[in-house]
Amino acid sequence: SAVISQKPSRDICQRGTSLTIQCQVDSQVTMMFWYRQQPGQSLTLIATANQGSEATYESGFVIDKFPISRPNLTFSTLTVSNMSPEDSSIYLCSVDDGHSEQYFGPGTRLTVT
Amino acid sequence: DQQVKQNSPSLSVQEGRISILNCDYTNSMFDYFLWYKKYPAEGPTFLISISSIKDKNEDGRFTVFLNKSAKHLSLHIVPSQPGDSAVYFCAASGRGYGKLTFGQGTILTVHP
Repeated sequence: SAVISQKPSRDICQRGTSLTIQCQVDSQVTMMFWYRQQPGQSLTLIATANQGSEATYESGFVIDKFPISRPNLTFSTLTVSNMSPEDSSIYLCSVDDGHSEQYFGPGTRLTVT
Repeated sequence: DQQVKQNSPSLSVQEGRISILNCDYTNSMFDYFLWYKKYPAEGPTFLISISSIKDKNEDGRFTVFLNKSAKHLSLHIVPSQPGDSAVYFCAASGRGYGKLTFGQGTILTVHP
C-alpha cells in the first residue's frame, strides 16, 4: 500500500485565517480524496482531488471554502479558508489503490479558536 | 440521511473471545464494503473488504460477512487481543466511484 504523509500534523489557528494542508504520496496515484472528521463524528468526504482539473466537491462543500490543488500524481493540498470554530476537525487525505480500497494519511488535527 | 449505520457505539470483549461488529446500509447501489480500524491521533487503517458478489472474506483473525438481502455486514475478530482495542468503521462504495461512505464507528475495547 502507498505511504501517505500530511503536513502539518496539527495546528491551532485563529478564526478568520486560512490553513493549507499538504498531502504527499510515495507513488503515483490516480485518485486522491480529502475527508473531514468532526469531533465525535464519522468521516465525511469533502472532495475528490483531480490531477490537472478542478476538484469535485461533495454536497455541502464549496471551492471557496475548501480550495484544493493537485499539481501532480503524488501531491495535493487542501486549504481551509476563513476559518471558524466549526472547522475544528481532523482532516485526512486518502488515495485509491486502483482496487477500490483507500489508504489514509495520518491526518491533520485543526483547532480554531 | 445516514446510508451506513453502526448502531453499537461501543463493544467490550474479553481477550481470546470473539468480537462481532455490525453494520447496516440502506443504499442498494453500494457494492463494495470495507472495514477500517482507527487509533487516536492516527489515520484509519484498512483491515478487510468484501465485494457484493461474495458473502464472506477471511484474512487471518478477521472475517467479514455480507448479507445482501438484509443489507447487513459484520466483522468477526477471533481471537480478540488487547491490541485490537480501537474505533472500527465500516464503509461502503459503488463500483467505479471512489467515494466512501462511512458509518459512525464502534469503539472496541478488549480486556486482558
